[in-house]
Amino acid sequence: GDSVTQMEGPVTLSEEAFLTINCTYTATGYPSLFWYVQYPGEGLQLLLKATKADDKGSNKGFEATYRKETTSFHLEKGSVQVSDSAVYFCALTELGRRALTFGSGTRLQVQP
Amino acid sequence: SQTIHQWPATLVQPVGSPLSLECTVEGTSNPNLYWYRQAAGRGLQLLFYSVGIGQISSEVPQNLSASRPQDRQFILSSKKLLLSDSGFYLCALLGRGVRGNTIYFGEGSWLTVV
Repeated sequence: GDSVTQMEGPVTLSEEAFLTINCTYTATGYPSLFWYVQYPGEGLQLLLKATKADDKGSNKGFEATYRKETTSFHLEKGSVQVSDSAVYFCALTELGRRALTFGSGTRLQVQP
Repeated sequence: SQTIHQWPATLVQPVGSPLSLECTVEGTSNPNLYWYRQAAGRGLQLLFYSVGIGQISSEVPQNLSASRPQDRQFILSSKKLLLSDSGFYLCALLGRGVRGNTIYFGEGSWLTVV
């Protein structure tokens, strides 16, 4: 079946540091890939997505590129802020499936 | 635009008590609806999904049940809560776009079973 593997957290960075959160997946078909973010005390929000190979999703300074050859969708940001502190979830869905498959989440802590 | 309302936002319930979490959506008709749970220190787990009124599919056998009495209403219930039911519950709907489908989430309900 489908699965999503994320790097374990917490990831602790200083403000303005470069961020990478790794995500790899296994899927039987050709999935769409997503990053969701959960800020403290809030629900999940869609951060970005990509629907085909080599697509780059981007939002709020975050980027992730759909790499079919390495089955990866790593999340990156060039300069993190304290306000980026949250839990980040990588997810996928396949055509015909009714729901998302999520990774276990990676907590990011940005220190001033 | 599509919106999702969940309530209550937080609740503390004793073991063995009943549970009812309600989710309503606006701005769409005949949506696919979902209940997810995020247990402490773990990722998201799909509990139930519904493609229409009265149609419920369970992904994981457990102490919970779901119902869809109206097109835009999805309810998560339990007759007797267990300690292991504690967690963060998210209602979600499937948004259909030109470039594929995306799941949109409500703000969540924090349940603590004591």
